[in-house]
Amino acid sequence: DTAVSQTPKYLVTQMGNDKSIKCEQNLGHDTMYWYKQDSKKFLKIMFSYNNKELIINETVPNRFSPKSPDKAHLNLHINSLELGDSAVYFCASSHHYTRSSGNTIYFGEGSWLTVV
Amino acid sequence: GESVGLHLPTLSVQEGDNSIINCAYSNSASDYFIWYKQESGKGPQFIIDIRSNMDKRQGQRVTVLLNKTVKHLSLQIAATQPGDSAVYFCAELRDGGATNKLIFGTGTLLAVQP
Repeated sequence: DTAVSQTPKYLVTQMGNDKSIKCEQNLGHDTMYWYKQDSKKFLKIMFSYNNKELIINETVPNRFSPKSPDKAHLNLHINSLELGDSAVYFCASSHHYTRSSGNTIYFGEGSWLTVV
Repeated sequence: GESVGLHLPTLSVQEGDNSIINCAYSNSASDYFIWYKQESGKGPQFIIDIRSNMDKRQGQRVTVLLNKTVKHLSLQIAATQPGDSAVYFCAELRDGGATNKLIFGTGTLLAVQP
């Protein structure tokens, strides 16, 4: 069983288009994330939701709009795609961090977005 | 500023040797650290974690060492195998109440030679 699943795995699209990436987790976690990995493998957090509420927005352009319909889903919609949006986008989830519990974050397999 | 960096971007080892991957972090307030392994075409996978009240933690073939004095973290892999070839990331968790976030280092590529 896939713990964190995201679709599509590969997406090639033209500049200016709007696209969405979907994510679902079946781990019972209450916190979900979107990370972006660039061509140099650098991983950077974009958004975090806890119980459907946005708690982290890392100065991402407002062309990116996450939506969390429930705790198990966090989708990412991107408007007016640009060449620089080409990257691998990872969805992840975890229990909410407390100092006593730690916070193991589980990642999906990634969505490879190529903007041409 | 926020940064977690690795000393060596690429590490090449012979199969059967031990590997040591190093990481420096900058925020002395970070209290939880994680090592992830990312194989080609896959997402990062949790390997091992350590809290700031510990200086060593062992798993199966892996050991993480934490030196808070110099803000240094290392991952040791014993008897490295071809299946260990991957990019390894250290990450630090900054606890900001509801806004905790995982800050990743730049990654080290471990190449295991047969």
